[in-house]
Amino acid sequence: GQQLNQSPQSMFIQEGEDVSMNCTSSSIFNTWLWYKQDPGEGPVLLIALYKAGELTSNGRLTAQFGITRKDSFLNISASIPSDVGIYFCAGQLTSGATNKLIFGTGTLLAVQP
Amino acid sequence: NAGVMQNPRHLVRRRGQEARLRCSPMKGHSHVYWYRQLPEEGLKFMVYLQKENIIDESGMPKERFSAEFPKEGPSILRIQQVVRGDSAAYFCASSLDRGRNQPQHFGDGTRLSIL
Repeated sequence: GQQLNQSPQSMFIQEGEDVSMNCTSSSIFNTWLWYKQDPGEGPVLLIALYKAGELTSNGRLTAQFGITRKDSFLNISASIPSDVGIYFCAGQLTSGATNKLIFGTGTLLAVQP
Repeated sequence: NAGVMQNPRHLVRRRGQEARLRCSPMKGHSHVYWYRQLPEEGLKFMVYLQKENIIDESGMPKERFSAEFPKEGPSILRIQQVVRGDSAAYFCASSLDRGRNQPQHFGDGTRLSIL
């Protein structure tokens, strides 16, 4: 099946540092989403991107939808301890009858206070 | 994750038993999706339902798994004759509509353990 390659797999940073992670696909998506998952919980939507080239911010988070529609990145500025968690990118497929998300492999973020 | 309610949060079954997982979508949402997450992996799509209809079940195993979303009541994911490999976290999501600008919102999942 389709897969999204997400990198890096894990990051261990100091509080206050900026973070960048990205996601690439062999297929084109019309919508890219970024989710955060805390232990024992479900993914929470952070940012949704609907247009190639679009740059969207949500507080300290900024995400971009790649021009080729095959990639996206997420930046977190001035990280804080509560940013700890697993970040997933997801491409949305809405062709025909389907409407499903294809998830990346995840980036584990650890923030040292 | 407020809004999408899943129960139970944890479910333990012995091999060969049946597992029933329930999902109540966010208020006003009529589109429901089930995903499975194995340890240290991303979520994998299983099935997409709209009230009383299965729209896309391309990610669901052909045997032992079934899903429904009746006119009244929650969506149910049913796994018959469970095996050890069914141990995973099962997440439900819902959306208002199926358009590309209608994001899916997730519940906190049911963690299924098979003894």
